Amino acid sequence: GAVVSQHPSRVICKSGTSVKIECRSLDFQATTMFWYRQFPKQSLMLMATSNEGSKATYEQGVEKDKFLINHASLTLSTLTVTSAHPEDSSFYICSARDLNGFLEAFFGQGTRLTVV
Amino acid sequence: AQTVTQSQPEMSVQEAETVTLSCTYDTSESDYYLFWYKQPPSRQMILVIRQEAYKQQNATENRFSVNFQKAAKSFSLKISDSQLGDAAMYFCAYRSARGSNYKLTFGKGTLLTVNP
Repeated sequence: GAVVSQHPSRVICKSGTSVKIECRSLDFQATTMFWYRQFPKQSLMLMATSNEGSKATYEQGVEKDKFLINHASLTLSTLTVTSAHPEDSSFYICSARDLNGFLEAFFGQGTRLTVV
Repeated sequence: AQTVTQSQPEMSVQEAETVTLSCTYDTSESDYYLFWYKQPPSRQMILVIRQEAYKQQNATENRFSVNFQKAAKSFSLKISDSQLGDAAMYFCAYRSARGSNYKLTFGKGTLLTVNP
């Protein structure tokens, strides 16, 4: 099956610094990737949709200047959390849709971000 | 906007028994897709089963089956012969079939415990 790799799986950073999370589709091309945030014991909240070669579409309430998304190739999207605050600590998950249009999206294993 | 409701925050089942997880959704669209995802403690999202709204036949994947009632906008998941490995958070999700919007809308999830 299709594999989506997310890196790093865990990261700790200091307040005020920036951290980059990568999402790669390993065996398929992904025109569209999605970034979610998940708080403990809660559901996945869509943050933004990124399309290869164009600007990401952010959901209402998500600060685009704080959560920078780049989707420079058909296999890689990155999420950069800028000027991180402790309240940005969360679990971030990406998913990718196959170019060939499979019905479901495939998920990465997630990144646990802790801002200290 | 579409909404997905999972009214059971937690459920438990004895090993080898059957359990049904509930999901209802609200939409004005006639063509869409519904999914059940499993999130074990590893936090990796795993697709359990999917249903195309235009298909009347309920989807089945081994021990997992759905009861899709389109008129009632209900999409329950039945797990037969429950196993310890089935313990996880289960999310019901909706996706429109229109256009190129492949966003998933998730319910709040049901935490399933399997008792030995």
